[in-house]
Amino acid sequence: QVQLEQSGAEVMKPGASVKVTCRASGYTFTNYYIHWVRQAPGQGLEYMGIIYPRDGHVSYARKFQGRVTMTRDTTTSTAYMQLSSLGSDDTAVYYCAREIPNHCYFDNWGQGTLVTVSS
Amino acid sequence: VLTQSPGTLSLSPGERATLSCRASQTVSASYFAWYQQKPGQAPRLLIYTASSRAAGIPDRFSGSGSGTDFTLTIGRLEPEDFAVYYCQVYGPSSYTFGQGTKLEIK
Repeated sequence: QVQLEQSGAEVMKPGASVKVTCRASGYTFTNYYIHWVRQAPGQGLEYMGIIYPRDGHVSYARKFQGRVTMTRDTTTSTAYMQLSSLGSDDTAVYYCAREIPNHCYFDNWGQGTLVTVSS
Repeated sequence: VLTQSPGTLSLSPGERATLSCRASQTVSASYFAWYQQKPGQAPRLLIYTASSRAAGIPDRFSGSGSGTDFTLTIGRLEPEDFAVYYCQVYGPSSYTFGQGTKLEIK
């Protein structure tokens, strides 16, 4: 079955960077897009961006441009999301999610990774 | 921008739920979806292309709408349906979520 398994919770200092991992299994990694979405405590869902695993092309939401980097490793079917210059308002659960190409919705989600930014 | 209403909906099991999502400009129904999220869990896809049920979703869930107005209807509420519901659309050139509707037990 399709699974997106994310890395464990992180506690980071303000100004630091965090890298979250999303390992895919149960399907051909390069045939589907991977998105990243975050959710601050008690808040709604916020879109961050997309990576196309086949060629590594990325597109970031405007809010995160210059601060987020999405990469992938096709040999391990893993996607990565790195967010830099962390502030307290980056405290959130970060999700990866899969999209069937050009379907524009997310049919499978990772379990989420809690990133806490605290001094 | 997607605006969901109401913010909170209080109903009893067995009742019918109607959740609304309004877009600030016309969007394609082909790119419209609904998700359910329970506490401590990731969102789950319910409806895609505005009216198609995702795999394994009970038929008491239905979606409709076009243009700027979309609706998620839950025919007869089961205890496990009480959760937060989000709408989502693609366009133009990005993905957007509504702020969510919390469906709570009355």
